[in-house]
Amino acid sequence: GQSLEQPSEVTAVEGAIVQINCTYQTSGFYGLSWYQQHDGGAPTFLSYNALDGLEETGRFSSFLSRSDSYGYLLLQELQMKDSASYFCAVSPAHGGSQGNLIFGKGTKLSVKP
Amino acid sequence: DTEVTQTPKHLVMGMTNKKSLKCEQHMGHRAMYWYKQKAKKPPELMFVYSYEKLSINESVPSRFSPECPNSSLLNLHLHALQPEDSALYLCASSQVHGGRSTEAFFGQGTRLTVV
Repeated sequence: GQSLEQPSEVTAVEGAIVQINCTYQTSGFYGLSWYQQHDGGAPTFLSYNALDGLEETGRFSSFLSRSDSYGYLLLQELQMKDSASYFCAVSPAHGGSQGNLIFGKGTKLSVKP
Repeated sequence: DTEVTQTPKHLVMGMTNKKSLKCEQHMGHRAMYWYKQKAKKPPELMFVYSYEKLSINESVPSRFSPECPNSSLLNLHLHALQPEDSALYLCASSQVHGGRSTEAFFGQGTRLTVV
């Protein structure tokens, strides 16, 4: 099976840097992705790591280490609009679940002035 | 066009009603999904269609019936629902490469209330 663990809440101030960790137990997956969801909105794709290492997209970066079963999302120069829930997700490679997404429980990020 | 469009945005239905949720995408994606999301919880996968064929049914009760009429449309037929089925129902689509999907695009969801 698959399980992904994230902190439930993180608080940071505007302009700061915050790292949201995701540790997982899975029998195999194609990649680790990150989604942002504002209250009342739909999840939107942020980043995807198929290989180990760092992927950078503007203020957001994502990292994956398969040997450590660990990934993180790094948000820089935080803005108030970054207050949202952030989900890590995997696309399982086995068990008839190819192609779908299994989500972590989400981390609620609150950005303070 | 990078949108997934869901209708209706809000739906209130009685436990004896029959209703349908609709989802449409024109990105050429061959995988489409239904997720259910309760408040303050992550989305939970319900169904996956790959190339218009149902590939995954995550032990969803039969009162939820999916349908994929063509590669752009996905429906979820609802019948005899329970109040605990009230939730946000999200449709998503993704491209499929070699059996795997990467980025999923989500619709804005249908907020369903069963009374």
